[in-house]
Amino acid sequence: SQTIHQWPATLVQPVGSPLSLECTVEGTSNPNLYWYRQAAGRGLQLLFYSVGIGQISSEVPQNLSASRPQDRQFILSSKKLLLSDSGFYLCAWSYGDIRGEQYFGPGTRLTVT
Amino acid sequence: TQLLEQSPQFLSIQEGENLTVYCNSSSVFSSLQWYRQEPGEGPVLLVTVVTGGEVKKLKRLTFQFGDARKDSSLHITAAQPGDTGLYLCAGDEAAGNKLTFGGGTRVLVKP
Repeated sequence: SQTIHQWPATLVQPVGSPLSLECTVEGTSNPNLYWYRQAAGRGLQLLFYSVGIGQISSEVPQNLSASRPQDRQFILSSKKLLLSDSGFYLCAWSYGDIRGEQYFGPGTRLTVT
Repeated sequence: TQLLEQSPQFLSIQEGENLTVYCNSSSVFSSLQWYRQEPGEGPVLLVTVVTGGEVKKLKRLTFQFGDARKDSSLHITAAQPGDTGLYLCAGDEAAGNKLTFGGGTRVLVKP
C-alpha cells in the first residue's frame, strides 16, 4: 500500500530564516506530487505540483520554491520566511490519471514569528 | 482558473438530524472528489464522481454529481458526532494533473 510522509509535523521559525519541508511517498512509482497551503478552517491553495523528477509547476508567485530531487521526494523551501508564510502545509500525491484523486500527508504546521 | 463555491461555510446540527452540503461551479469538471478533514490532519478522500447524474453512497453519506458536471452535493442522513469535520469538494481541471478545491464546509454534530 502507498504511504506519504511529511516532516516536521510542527515548526516555529523567525522571520527571515530559511525553510525546508520534506515529503516522501512509498509504495508507488512516478507519482504526481503537490504542495498546498491551508488557512485555518478553509480550503486548500495549490502552491506547486510536479509530474516528474526536476519538473516543477508554480501556481502562485511567492516567497517559496519547490524541488523534486528524486522520484518520490518533494521539498518545499524558502530562503527568507515572511510572517505571511505561516499556515498548514500539505503534501499530496496522485496517479495522474483521469480520476484526479489525490492522497494527502499529515501536514506541517508552520508558525513564523 | 475554475472556481468551486461551497455552501454553507458552517453547519451546526444535533445528532440524528440530516444535512446537505453544496458545491457549485460555472465550469464543467471531468471528475469531482469529496474529502473530509479532521483538525491538524490531512484531508481524506471520501468519494470520486465522474459521470453526470451519478449518485454514490457511503454508509449514511450520499454524493451526487450534477447532470451537467458543474455541481455536486453531499447529504448525510442521521448525522453522528463522528461526522464532525471540514468537508472539501475538489474538481479535476485537466484530466488528472490538478484539482481546484472549494472553500470547505465545517460541520459540527452535537451529541
